[in-house]
Amino acid sequence: DIQLTQSPSTLPASLGERVTISCRASQSISNSLNWYQQKPDGTVKRLIYSTSTLESGVPSRFSGSGSGTDYSLSISSLESEDFAMYYCLQYATYPHTFGSGTKLEIK
Amino acid sequence: EVQLVESGGGLVQPGRSLKLSCLASGFTFSNYGMNWIRQAPGKGLEWVASISSSSSYIYYADTVKGRFTISRDNAKNTLYLQMTSLRSEDTALYYCARRKTSPFDYWGQGVMVTVSS
Repeated sequence: DIQLTQSPSTLPASLGERVTISCRASQSISNSLNWYQQKPDGTVKRLIYSTSTLESGVPSRFSGSGSGTDYSLSISSLESEDFAMYYCLQYATYPHTFGSGTKLEIK
Repeated sequence: EVQLVESGGGLVQPGRSLKLSCLASGFTFSNYGMNWIRQAPGKGLEWVASISSSSSYIYYADTVKGRFTISRDNAKNTLYLQMTSLRSEDTALYYCARRKTSPFDYWGQGVMVTVSS
């Protein structure tokens, strides 16, 4: 099974700040990586698919990059609604696996 | 508008069975693969099972293989998860989610399953 190591687990940040979340796979996943946002009420939303394609309706301050085993999600200028949990997902093979999550919290 | 509405959750004793449903609307259900994903209290997301649009391909996580069965009824726009031999570690919020070329573009709100005596 492919393991995803997501970091950091907690990320304190301020409004307007730029942040980056990393996701490292235990083997190459050939850009088969998505990013998800989960709000405290449990609502889950896909932000980025296939490493870097922005989901329709998602603000352009979100971006994804990476290749091989190393991937990242960046938010260019944090807004209040961005404080949430973030998860990466690899779908190169079954079983699909999620990273352990990053809690983006207000500093 | 795409909607996925899960139902069928609740409190169940260890070793018993439960069947979850996910009613889909706002899209052509028979054109999409469907999936179950769960989240134990205070934990992260865990993929559980996937089924292709015509039920030709089915996959399970090792943690549920042999105990859970994913199925669908395209005429009823409904996805199912039959869960048997339930354990305390199956306690979680269960989400259904859609897939086209890339997984999990839309998610339901989830349904809670609690396994306890």
